Amino acid sequence: AQTVTQSQPEMSVQEAETVTLSCTYDTSESDYYLFWYKQPPSRQMILVIRQEAYKQQNATENRFSVNFQKAAKSFSLKISDSQLGDAAMYFCAYRSAGAPNDMRFGAGTRLTVKP
Amino acid sequence: EPEVTQTPSHQVTQMGQEVILRCVPISNHLYFYWYRQILGQKVEFLVSFYNNEISEKSEIFDDQFSVERPDGSNFTLKIRSTKLEDSAMYFCASSEGRVQPQHFGDGTRLSIL
Repeated sequence: AQTVTQSQPEMSVQEAETVTLSCTYDTSESDYYLFWYKQPPSRQMILVIRQEAYKQQNATENRFSVNFQKAAKSFSLKISDSQLGDAAMYFCAYRSAGAPNDMRFGAGTRLTVKP
Repeated sequence: EPEVTQTPSHQVTQMGQEVILRCVPISNHLYFYWYRQILGQKVEFLVSFYNNEISEKSEIFDDQFSVERPDGSNFTLKIRSTKLEDSAMYFCASSEGRVQPQHFGDGTRLSIL
């Protein structure tokens, strides 16, 4: 079964600085999707960024980028120029291309942004 | 931007009672999902729904759970006889297609007394 591990329960970053959140996963599949979701105190789960496993190029969305290392099964999220509004729980998630309905989440990393 | 909406935001129910959690997925989405998050734990997949039937469910989704799309807009999760351990945040999600990203609602916090 696929598992997703986020080894950092909490992270802190100074406003305007860069922070990297770690995520590793375990799978025997070759085709899958990886996601980072953000859950602010308002509770809504917001999709931050998405990566297809067949793409070698790392996904980028404005200040958010990923470092996808398929062989190492690693999928870290980098937030550049951190803003106060980035403070939230961040969840890494895995979804198989063969069973797209079953999305597996990591335990989450709580990010604090200091002014 | 269209959103997934869930009602109520907080539901308090006596153990053994039935509860229905409601969701309105994004209107052009075809796939619907329920997840739950017990306090301090991971978000866990419960069930997915497509073409008016369950397409996949987890081991958590036992006989006390059911889902329904009673009309063209709502998607409901029913828990028949609630237990203390059903207390959790329940998230509804929808996606446009099989591989498109899932969009989540704000969640319903279910508290079983």
